[in-house]
Amino acid sequence: GAVVSQHPSRVICKSGTSVKIECRSLDFQATTMFWYRQFPKQSLMLMATSNEGSKATYEQGVEKDKFLINHASLTLSTLTVTSAHPEDSSFYICSAPRLAGYADTQYFGPGTRLTVL
Amino acid sequence: DAKTTQPNSMESNEEEPVHLPCNHSTISGTDYIHWYRQLPSQGPEYVIHGLTSNVNNRMASLAIAEDRKSSTLILHRATLRDAAVYYCILRDVWGGNTPLVFGKGTRLSVIA
Repeated sequence: GAVVSQHPSRVICKSGTSVKIECRSLDFQATTMFWYRQFPKQSLMLMATSNEGSKATYEQGVEKDKFLINHASLTLSTLTVTSAHPEDSSFYICSAPRLAGYADTQYFGPGTRLTVL
Repeated sequence: DAKTTQPNSMESNEEEPVHLPCNHSTISGTDYIHWYRQLPSQGPEYVIHGLTSNVNNRMASLAIAEDRKSSTLILHRATLRDAAVYYCILRDVWGGNTPLVFGKGTRLSVIA
């Protein structure tokens, strides 16, 4: 079946540094990928939509200059958290849709747990 | 996507069936009912989806009310590995490349 991978699975960084998270679709092409953030005991919150070959679209309240998204190819999207601060510590999850018939199925990565010290 | 309502939490004994309800009274004619689940410290995974008829797959069954205003995800024999948050989400058939919008879901606890 379709698989989406994320790297790294876990990262700890110092405040002020930047962290890059990769999201790859392993056996299908994804012109669109989505990035979510999840705080403890809360649901997933959509951050942005990553579009291959064009600019990402961000949800209200998400700083585009802080969360840089690059969809460089049909199988890779990256999220860079710039100048990370402790409040950016969260579980970041990407997903990619795959259309099957009249309904799409979203495939999610395993998530990246970011801890900012 | 139309809104869904689910209980915050449910509990089940291992090896017993579990019925997870979802209300979606404002569902439109072109909305599919999708279920995803999120195991602890993992990304969500697809469980099942349907439009009007009941659906079965290796993971679960989906029972859809005749008026489509509610549905029930059925796990036939709960195992400890089924402990997760289950999300009921409506998706327009033309949703295509739009993101899933997650509600709070139902946290299922399975007791050995």
